[in-house]
Amino acid sequence: SAVISQKPSRDICQRGTSLTIQCQVDSQVTMMFWYRQQPGQSLTLIATANQGSEATYESGFVIDKFPISRPNLTFSTLTVSNMSPEDSSIYLCSGGRGLADTQYFGPGTRLTVL
Amino acid sequence: AQTVTQSQPEMSVQEAETVTLSCTYDTSESDYYLFWYKQPPSRQMILVIRQEAYKQQNATENRFSVNFQKAAKSFSLKISDSQLGDAAMYFCAYSPAGTASKLTFGTGTRLQVTL
Repeated sequence: SAVISQKPSRDICQRGTSLTIQCQVDSQVTMMFWYRQQPGQSLTLIATANQGSEATYESGFVIDKFPISRPNLTFSTLTVSNMSPEDSSIYLCSGGRGLADTQYFGPGTRLTVL
Repeated sequence: AQTVTQSQPEMSVQEAETVTLSCTYDTSESDYYLFWYKQPPSRQMILVIRQEAYKQQNATENRFSVNFQKAAKSFSLKISDSQLGDAAMYFCAYSPAGTASKLTFGTGTRLQVTL
């Protein structure tokens, strides 16, 4: 299994500001993903973080709003830009080692936007 | 597009008893993977069990087992000898084989364990 950490664990932000969430994996993983979990909801995939290239976004998510970086195989960041209260969610990163390998999740970042 | 359906928003089980959580999915793929994840109040997503669609044998992990019915596209989770620590949200998830392991999640079932 992989051990995944995220920072910060939670934050309260003002609307119009941006927050960058960091995700660190303890071993090299091939695939890294970012998910959003809105209050009381299930997880929705935001994007696949690709090493050294632009992330692949799912329908309904755009790079201007959720820029993602992945400079190496063990680290990725997600920025939530120009935040509004609707962005209040838990953001989780996950990693897996192969095309169909099991994904392991970080502990999540609980974001509240006022 | 693939969809995953969990029709039980909440379930309750007494300690030491057995409970089954339901999950159905829709896909046109023949090869795929199915998962059950547990999310306690700490919000950490924890893998409970995984099933490869090409395997006829149902996966088991200690007190957790699945009933995988490929033709019916059904994937239920059975928890035996329930413990207080099993109380959590349980999410069923699907991933098609040969892609980047992207997961599609169901809406979740909240499991309560009572004394």
